[in-house]
Amino acid sequence: GENVEQHPSTLSVQEGDSAVIKCTYSDSASNYFPWYKQELGKRPQLIIDIRSNVGEKKDQRIAVTLNKTAKHFSLHITETQPEDSAVYFCAATVGGSQGNLIFGKGTKLSVKP
Amino acid sequence: EAEVAQSPRYKITEKSQAVAFWCDPISGHATLYWYRQILGQGPELLVQFQDESVVDDSQLPKDRFSAERLKGVDSTLKIQPAELGDSAMYLCASSLRTGRIGTGELFFGEGSRLTVL
Repeated sequence: GENVEQHPSTLSVQEGDSAVIKCTYSDSASNYFPWYKQELGKRPQLIIDIRSNVGEKKDQRIAVTLNKTAKHFSLHITETQPEDSAVYFCAATVGGSQGNLIFGKGTKLSVKP
Repeated sequence: EAEVAQSPRYKITEKSQAVAFWCDPISGHATLYWYRQILGQGPELLVQFQDESVVDDSQLPKDRFSAERLKGVDSTLKIQPAELGDSAMYLCASSLRTGRIGTGELFFGEGSRLTVL
């Protein structure tokens, strides 16, 4: 079946450094790619998303890039802060117009002060 | 700010017992999802509703799981009988729209953590 691969599974950076998380997807019809942040014991929350007609999107310290040809997309966090520590999930739509999301397995980001 | 409500937050049960989870989506959100999240993994879709209709339940283990959204508002997910492998977080999410123009933002509830002994 369709899937989303996410790497790395864990990432540790120093405060102020950049962090990059990468995902690949298998469904060539995927057209929506959100990223969710889940702090320990809390609900996943959308932090940024990108649609297939756009190659890059930025929101302050967070950016997402999409390469449709290679079927991969990445999350970039610059100037990391301790409060960025969380599990980050990428997702991609599958199944055509209904737009169901398949999630990656997550990346646990630790930002050390 | 409106949120997705779920209950109970925690449920401990013995295997072979029945359990039920309830979800109240954000008002006006036509699409409702139930996801299962095993510790250390991403959410996996169990069932999707559009109003009161099931749109996708291909990953729902129908021999023991059932879900309903009778009036197109709140929803119930039931497991009977529960098995050890069902221990997980059950997340409900809702979105304002879905369809041709792509999935809208999913708003998740805080989840119901199930432990089966």
